[in-house]
Amino acid sequence: GAGVSQSPRYKVAKRGQDVALRCDPISGHVSLFWYQQALGQGPEFLTYFQNEAQLDKSGLPSDRFFAERPEGSVSTLKIQRTQQEDSAVYLCASSTDSISNYEQYFGPGTRLTVT
Amino acid sequence: AQRVTQPEKLLSVFKGAPVELKCNYSYSGSPELFWYVQYSRQRLQLLLRHISRESIKGFTADLNKGETSFHLKKPFAQEEDSAMYYCALRSGAGSYQLTFGKGTKLSVIP
Repeated sequence: GAGVSQSPRYKVAKRGQDVALRCDPISGHVSLFWYQQALGQGPEFLTYFQNEAQLDKSGLPSDRFFAERPEGSVSTLKIQRTQQEDSAVYLCASSTDSISNYEQYFGPGTRLTVT
Repeated sequence: AQRVTQPEKLLSVFKGAPVELKCNYSYSGSPELFWYVQYSRQRLQLLLRHISRESIKGFTADLNKGETSFHLKKPFAQEEDSAMYYCALRSGAGSYQLTFGKGTKLSVIP
């Protein structure tokens, strides 16, 4: 079946521009996660949704970052007034709500380059 | 705060040689540990988890709470094992956040 998809796959933005990154999770997956992966680093947690509720946004690096999942399916990560330090791969992952069989399925990522 | 350390950025081994990718963690409770793998031009995917105590693609990993380690091992490396490997920690049942290490790039030399 279809896995997690993300669009666009690549995004180049000029410093100061706003960007929106989309994530389509696996159908029926309740939980959705966003991670930021800088060059040479592992993924770092940004935020977590359970259905449409954003239960944890403790990893968002600044108030320029905003995420939503209004209908409990597709999610959008928005970055306002992009800065060079925002350049990274943004990963989306989804999982079922089963604690006993927990696995996060990752999308291919969106590579954001801020010039 | 929880932390995952993978001390080697790059590990090169010859085909057929044993492989050990190191992972140490710091967490005061009872964590769940995972290994994720990313093959070239593919997405990050789960390789194995400590609670399953299974062998996947010949890889095994044992959680050593005394040494706070979760090293990934394979007795005979294959060329197709070349990939980025990430160790990750979840702070236990009811938690959802994964904390990743920086990753180790495994290169298997034919």
